[in-house]
Amino acid sequence: EPEVTQTPSHQVTQMGQEVILRCVPISNHLYFYWYRQILGQKVEFLVSFYNNEISEKSEIFDDQFSVERPDGSNFTLKIRSTKLEDSAMYFCASSGAGGRGGELFFGEGSRLTVL
Amino acid sequence: RKEVEQDPGPFNVPEGATVAFNCTYSNSASQSFFWYRQDCRKEPKLLMSVYSSGNEDGRFTAQLNRASQYISLLIRDSKLSDSATYLCVVNSPGTYKYIFGTGTRLKVLA
Repeated sequence: EPEVTQTPSHQVTQMGQEVILRCVPISNHLYFYWYRQILGQKVEFLVSFYNNEISEKSEIFDDQFSVERPDGSNFTLKIRSTKLEDSAMYFCASSGAGGRGGELFFGEGSRLTVL
Repeated sequence: RKEVEQDPGPFNVPEGATVAFNCTYSNSASQSFFWYRQDCRKEPKLLMSVYSSGNEDGRFTAQLNRASQYISLLIRDSKLSDSATYLCVVNSPGTYKYIFGTGTRLKVLA
C-alpha cells in the first residue's frame, strides 16, 4: 500500500538552528501539506502546496518557515531559526484531490525538540 | 465560533457499548468531511469519509446533518482497540485546506 514517508523521525536541535524535515508523498498525489501538533493540542494546518507553489499558509507559517519540492519526489519543510515553541510533531500529508473531497494521507511524523 | 468543534471527552465506555460523537462546523459551504483516528503520539489515520447520505463501515457509521452543520460518528460493539482520539476534519471552502477539530478521546474499558 502506498504511503507517505517522513525523515527524521525525531530531531533535537538548539534554539536558533536551522532544521529541514523531509517527506516523500504518495507518488501520484498532487497536493501536499504540512501540519503540526504540539503535545496535547490539536493538529494545526501550516501550509498546502500544489503545482510547485504554496496554495495556502496559516498565520503560524511565518518568514521562518519555507517549503520546497526540489526534485519531484521530496517535499521539505525548513525552519530557518528554530524557537522553543517550534517543538512539536510535524506531519506531512498528501492528497489526490486537494480540498475537494480528497482524503489526506499522513506520514508518521517528525518529532522536533528545540532546546 | 470555532471552525470545527468537538467535545474533547474522555468518553469512558465498557466493551460492547455503543458510543456516538458529534462534531460541529461553522462554514455552511464546507463540502468534505472525514473522521480520522489518532493513537497516542501517532499520525492521524483515515477512519472514514462522511457522505451526504451517510455511510457505514462495519461497526462504524458516519452521518452528516447539513441543516444543523454537524457530523456524527457511531461506534457499535466497542472493542478495547477502539481506544483512541477521534478527529473530525472538514475542508475550508474555496481552499485546499482541511481543518481539524481538537479530537474526542475514547477509552473502552474491559
